[in-house]
Amino acid sequence: EAGVAQSPRYKIIEKRQSVAFWCNPISGHATLYWYQQILGQGPKLLIQFQNNGVVDDSQLPKDRFSAERLKGVDSTLKIQPAKLEDSAVYLCASSTGGWGTFFGQGTRLTVV
Amino acid sequence: QQPVQSPQAVILREGEDAVINCSSSKALYSVHWYRQKHGEAPVFLMILLKGGEQKGHEKISASFNEKKQQSSLYLTASQLSYSGTYFCGTGWQAQKLVFGQGTRLTINP
Repeated sequence: EAGVAQSPRYKIIEKRQSVAFWCNPISGHATLYWYQQILGQGPKLLIQFQNNGVVDDSQLPKDRFSAERLKGVDSTLKIQPAKLEDSAVYLCASSTGGWGTFFGQGTRLTVV
Repeated sequence: QQPVQSPQAVILREGEDAVINCSSSKALYSVHWYRQKHGEAPVFLMILLKGGEQKGHEKISASFNEKKQQSSLYLTASQLSYSGTYFCGTGWQAQKLVFGQGTRLTINP
């Protein structure tokens, strides 16, 4: 079974630039999450989708972050404009909505 | 409310045992345990549910104490492959998991 796919693996941008991350969840997983993991900390939930609808985006900085999940499969997370404090690993994860959440390898973003 | 993990770091020799604790100030419905190796994604280990039994996987097991609002992860006869950072996540099923700050486990030969 293929895992959660993310791209790119690494990205370096200057502050105030924009960036987008892509995620393809495990086939059949209706629930998709985007997490932000700052170095030395646990993952922090940014947004949760159930199929193509948003379940929870209470911790998403909506003035600069946006996410969509068209057709209930792939998802993109965008940051515009980026700030220095956005430097982190962005993890996509998926689940069947039941038990066990499976993470992708993440995108390491460095904002300079 | 972020769960609190203890200890923050553990250094063991291969074959020794370890216990990692995860405490919450809120009532727990489920506790999820993950292991993350440097530069890799967190890997799901197990989930414990309110009212459920202690879970186990090979030499890694966990318990869930509802009264204390705490879960403990037990690593028995640790192997080098157990090294990594262990996270607990608390929440309702897999919805909106809130992760602890992590416990870094180092196993030396």
